[in-house]
Amino acid sequence: KQEVTQIPAALSVPEGENLVLNCSFTDSAIYNLQWFRQDPGKGLTSLLLIQSSQREQTSGRLNASLDKSSGRSTLYIAASQPGDSATYLCAVRPGNDMRFGAGTRLTVKP
Amino acid sequence: EAGVTQSPTHLIKTRGQQATLRCSPISGHTSVYWYQQALGLGLQFLLWYDEGEERNRGNFPPRFSGRQFPNYSSELNVNALELEDSALYLCASSHGRQSETQYFGPGTRLLVL
Repeated sequence: KQEVTQIPAALSVPEGENLVLNCSFTDSAIYNLQWFRQDPGKGLTSLLLIQSSQREQTSGRLNASLDKSSGRSTLYIAASQPGDSATYLCAVRPGNDMRFGAGTRLTVKP
Repeated sequence: EAGVTQSPTHLIKTRGQQATLRCSPISGHTSVYWYQQALGLGLQFLLWYDEGEERNRGNFPPRFSGRQFPNYSSELNVNALELEDSALYLCASSHGRQSETQYFGPGTRLLVL
């Protein structure tokens, strides 16, 4: 059974810092891995999608990597801003559904 | 291009009642997914519809059901509501292929009293 774990559960950093969020999954048989952002009480915003054949994806200040063989992904956020404060979720697609981690709650202090 | 829309935004029901939640996918998307996000729990996969058929369901009892219409919009029905059904219900859509990104709606917050 595919399980997704995110570490840390919560993170608080001062504005301007670079940071890394971690995601691990137990079964490497996945179609893709996706990072989402969720603001309190709201839906999910897709940040980056990495196909199983890819190693990384970049969008602006965000960079996500995927090491399928070790079951790990990282989301790197450069020069963090208060507007980055949200919960970040990673999800893997093993088949016809998606399995989500519990998320990392990020707070960026001005 | 309009995103995924869900209605209603909020829904209050009492135990034992039925709830109906609606989702309209992005134009051109044939797949609709439903997820439950209960307080203190992660996002849990509920149902997947594609081309009008239920393709997969998560580990939820049969009182959670739904359907997809010819225009690819979808309904999620929850019968015999229980207090623990209180959650944010998220709908997502995609082109249906397993490699495709899922795009999420804003959710319907269901409160069961």
